[in-house]
Amino acid sequence: QQPVQSPQAVILREGEDAVINCSSSKALYSVHWYRQKHGEAPVFLMILLKGGEQKGHEKISASFNEKKQQSSLYLTASQLSYSGTYFCGTGGSGNTGKLIFGQGTTLQVKP
Amino acid sequence: DTAVSQTPKYLVTQMGNDKSIKCEQNLGHDTMYWYKQDSKKFLKIMFSYNNKELIINETVPNRFSPKSPDKAHLNLHINSLELGDSAVYFCASSQTGAGEQYFGPGTRLTVT
Repeated sequence: QQPVQSPQAVILREGEDAVINCSSSKALYSVHWYRQKHGEAPVFLMILLKGGEQKGHEKISASFNEKKQQSSLYLTASQLSYSGTYFCGTGGSGNTGKLIFGQGTTLQVKP
Repeated sequence: DTAVSQTPKYLVTQMGNDKSIKCEQNLGHDTMYWYKQDSKKFLKIMFSYNNKELIINETVPNRFSPKSPDKAHLNLHINSLELGDSAVYFCASSQTGAGEQYFGPGTRLTVT
């Protein structure tokens, strides 16, 4: 089952914050976050492997709530370079690397 | 040095033709993947190989056949191309099945 991301799109001004949510109807064992700019490949942001885990990457951080079967990506003090489409990918219990990606959230940061 | 490379970057061909896309990674990773991204940006895994062994084979038409001659290379051959095959195909690799995945630049396939 494909995880559901919300919102589908968000427009921000530079310096504003945003939260992107990723919810699954199935148990989550890992959550990956990627950003894809137009015409480019998805780029890895972070991976969360344990329930309750939180990670940070400069001004981008994420949390993973395995009980609620969801993950959230937090973008703080957004920069123009944050613009793109954000995907969450959920991993299963095996170690196959199979990720099921959400439909993506398009983020546009304006000056 | 490019970590994950794909050739060609663009591929325009007619229905019914056979084409191949090549992928190479120089990261020393054990696992490689093929993804298809459609016009709505939906990113779906097609195949995965771990050290030349097929481990993920999603519901993909038999016209698609991956081949991994060694763990640094994963090619995708497509027979009898159809209009619906038009998409961007991404190759990716990861150190392990659970690790972060590094994507190649993509191959935009257009079937006319």
